[in-house]
Amino acid sequence: AQKVTQAQTEISVVEKEDVTLDCVYETRDTTYYLFWYKQPPSGELVFLIRRNSFDEQNEISGRYSWNFQKSTSSFNFTITASQVVDSAVYFCALSEVNTGNQFYFGTGTSLTVIP
Amino acid sequence: DTGVSQDPRHKITKRGQNVTFRCDPISEHNRLYWYRQTLGQGPEFLTYFQNEAQLEKSRLLSDRFSAERPKGSFSTLEIQRTEQGDSAMYLCASSLESQGAQIRYFGPGTRLTVT
Repeated sequence: AQKVTQAQTEISVVEKEDVTLDCVYETRDTTYYLFWYKQPPSGELVFLIRRNSFDEQNEISGRYSWNFQKSTSSFNFTITASQVVDSAVYFCALSEVNTGNQFYFGTGTSLTVIP
Repeated sequence: DTGVSQDPRHKITKRGQNVTFRCDPISEHNRLYWYRQTLGQGPEFLTYFQNEAQLEKSRLLSDRFSAERPKGSFSTLEIQRTEQGDSAMYLCASSLESQGAQIRYFGPGTRLTVT
């Protein structure tokens, strides 16, 4: 079973629009971590954020914000006022403490920001 | 602070040939991971090292694959008798052991094409 589901395969938005990337995860652990990574066309995965399962506070970093809701097992990522440089594939990942902190990646959402 | 580096960035080989990839982690990181990523998928775990010890291998890592990290610094991933199904991006990541899930910092990857 897929532990991390990113149902949106591809999204296109016009520059300056807001966009939300969905991530739904599945785990039986009470202690786990959630991550978002960005993979631009160059190929290198860039770390964006890590949250632990005990911290449901939403986080904002510039134009990026994250909404963690344990009740719905979701960890969604919103980009406000999107820019062309935001075009990339975004991956959500889950790490479970009881399985040796193994990373489980979703299949990614490809975001295209049209100028 | 230099990031994770990988060499080569691209490799084209004929089926049946052996290939070797190198990864240099962030210098103070004691954990090193290898992942494989195919088109449209998230990275899949292959193996990881803590210092020079190889602690875990995925079932994806067939007998044709071998990884080493002889001095606990750089690592090599060798694929023997390559097959077309081995064509993928091979990603290396490193992290610093600490409590909780360590953030993986990824290199730019080596794209392997087996013809």
